[in-house]
Amino acid sequence: AQKVTQAQTEISVVEKEDVTLDCVYETRDTTYYLFWYKQPPSGELVFLIRRNSFDEQNEISGRYSWNFQKSTSSFNFTITASQVVDSAVYFCALSEALEGDTNAGKSTFGDGTTLTVKP
Amino acid sequence: DAGVTQSPTHLIKTRGQQVTLRCSPKSGHDTVSWYQQALGQGPQFIFQYYEEEERQRGNFPDRFSGHQFPNYSSELNVNALLLGDSALYLCASGRLPRTPWETQYFGPGTRLLVL
Repeated sequence: AQKVTQAQTEISVVEKEDVTLDCVYETRDTTYYLFWYKQPPSGELVFLIRRNSFDEQNEISGRYSWNFQKSTSSFNFTITASQVVDSAVYFCALSEALEGDTNAGKSTFGDGTTLTVKP
Repeated sequence: DAGVTQSPTHLIKTRGQQVTLRCSPKSGHDTVSWYQQALGQGPQFIFQYYEEEERQRGNFPDRFSGHQFPNYSSELNVNALLLGDSALYLCASGRLPRTPWETQYFGPGTRLLVL
């Protein structure tokens, strides 16, 4: 069975600090997809980043960067120079690829990390 | 281009009642997934629809059922409501990947309170 663990329940930082959100996953699939979503108080999940299991290249997109390591089953997410608007709940999610196609099937989410950025 | 829309936004029901939630996918999307998010937890997968058929199902009882229409919109039905069904119900739409970077997009959700 798939499992996603976000050990950090709450994180509080001061604006302009860098913050890293941890995510550890478990899966028996060889092909899978990892995501980070942001959920503001309005409730809508906003897609942030996605990574395929066969591509461990780490990238930077604006203030966001991520560190994907298959050896440790981790997919950590970093926000550089945090802003008050970054305050939200962040979810890490794992999606399996159904046998026979490359479509991402159901997603398994962690329980989220509540990030508070103080001015 | 409208994103994923859901209705109603809020709903209050009593135990034993039945409820229907609705979702319209993002333009160009043909799959719809439903998730239940209890307070303080991550979303849990209920089921996914594609071509008007249930394609995958999570660990939810048969009280949870769904439907997808020819225009790709979808309904989630919950019968014999329990207090524990109180949650935010999220709909996500996507499409069979035509590139490796397709992903799913979520609607704003329907907040269901069962009294």
